[in-house]
Amino acid sequence: QKEVEQNSGPLSVPEGAIASLNCTYSDRVSQSFFWYRQYSGKSPELIMSIYSNGDKEDGRFTAQLNKASQYVSLLIRDSQPSDSATYLCAVNPRLWMDSSYKLIFGSGTRLLVRP
Amino acid sequence: DVKVTQSSRYLVKRTGEKVFLECVQDMDHENMFWYRQDPGLGLRLIYFSYDVKMKEKGDIPEGYSVSREKKERFSLILESASTNQTSMYLCASSSEMDPLNSNQPQHFGDGTRLSIL
Repeated sequence: QKEVEQNSGPLSVPEGAIASLNCTYSDRVSQSFFWYRQYSGKSPELIMSIYSNGDKEDGRFTAQLNKASQYVSLLIRDSQPSDSATYLCAVNPRLWMDSSYKLIFGSGTRLLVRP
Repeated sequence: DVKVTQSSRYLVKRTGEKVFLECVQDMDHENMFWYRQDPGLGLRLIYFSYDVKMKEKGDIPEGYSVSREKKERFSLILESASTNQTSMYLCASSSEMDPLNSNQPQHFGDGTRLSIL
């Protein structure tokens, strides 16, 4: 089982719709979670970070974390064609151990917003 | 804003050459990372460093080495370049955990697309 799993997509939504991107992780003690957006040929760009269970909103983006079920999701409201990109989920695997500085990245979900 | 600068956007080298990829960050971050990204394989960690002169192997260190002589600079070295090292190379940096013990996000440079002929 991969440590961080995402559906590769593409997830296709019409302009103005809500896009829902999901990520599951295997390490129960993970503490920190991040969503990155990556346009084709570009480097990943941080969108959201979330550390506590529940929802965190930033503009059109909402991150949702459920540690009991080991999933984190990203909702994009009023999707725009400019949101078309690959979205990477990243999880800190463990605290206070050798890998505490590291992030484990999922393979990403490709989002396509149709005009 | 965090600025992570990679020395080259595109680089073409020949098999057997020694290749240096440079990365500089301007936010006094303690942690720096080198990844490669290949289609279908995602981001894979090559090496990381959590302090000057300190380095740790990532998931795929074979064929690579690193150097961190100054806090702001982290270099990736391909000792003898091979065609299977053709890839997009990404440098990232992050600060220490915050007082609530939350890990800080990593911030990426623009990447270096390296081709080994």
